[in-house]
Amino acid sequence: KAGVTQTPRYLIKTRGQQVTLSCSPISGHRSVSWYQQTPGQGLQFLFEYFSETQRNKGNFPGRFSGRQFSNSRSEMNVSTLELGDSALYLCASSPPRGPSTDTQYFGPGTRLTVL
Amino acid sequence: AQSVTQPDIHITVSEGASLELRCNYSYGATPYLFWYVQSPGQGLQLLLKYFSGDTLVQGIKGFEAEFKRSQSSFNLRKPSVHWSDAAEYFCAVGAGVVDNNNDMRFGAGTRLTVKP
Repeated sequence: KAGVTQTPRYLIKTRGQQVTLSCSPISGHRSVSWYQQTPGQGLQFLFEYFSETQRNKGNFPGRFSGRQFSNSRSEMNVSTLELGDSALYLCASSPPRGPSTDTQYFGPGTRLTVL
Repeated sequence: AQSVTQPDIHITVSEGASLELRCNYSYGATPYLFWYVQSPGQGLQLLLKYFSGDTLVQGIKGFEAEFKRSQSSFNLRKPSVHWSDAAEYFCAVGAGVVDNNNDMRFGAGTRLTVKP
């Protein structure tokens, strides 16, 4: 089975721009979570989508948004980029409810640099 | 909400020596516990997980972890460290089905350096 894929892997933007990151979960997984990883704040939960609905949200401003499509692929969008948004953005998918539920499998991440 | 503490920011061990990385969690119900490893510039790879049952869990790459409810701990161990184990290690706790979401909380990570 193919793992979680994220595109693009690297991205450079300037302040004020917006960006869209994409995540394709493992086949059969319906839950997709997004995390921001920075040296100062570590790994922080952004939000989780399940069956095209946002099921949970972390403590981030409204500039951070996401969505999930019917094929479980997910996108996250950051508008009006700030320097502090520079980070590694990680996507993770989880299998359907069952014995291995809640195990998250991570993609390689998208490295966003804001200049 | 659940939380995780990894007391050691950085640990250095010699190749072939044993390793123990500490993790303490806080959660009111039975936690779902995980250890992940991250190499520089990469995503997180699952090493092992604990949901219930046997408190000593075996993972990949020769790692194991022991869940101790009385100490709220889930320490990761390896009897003999290899140079390729140098990486950052994250402990995580999930709320699981109790809270019906996948809000996983991570510790700050422990960076492992392996001396030749």
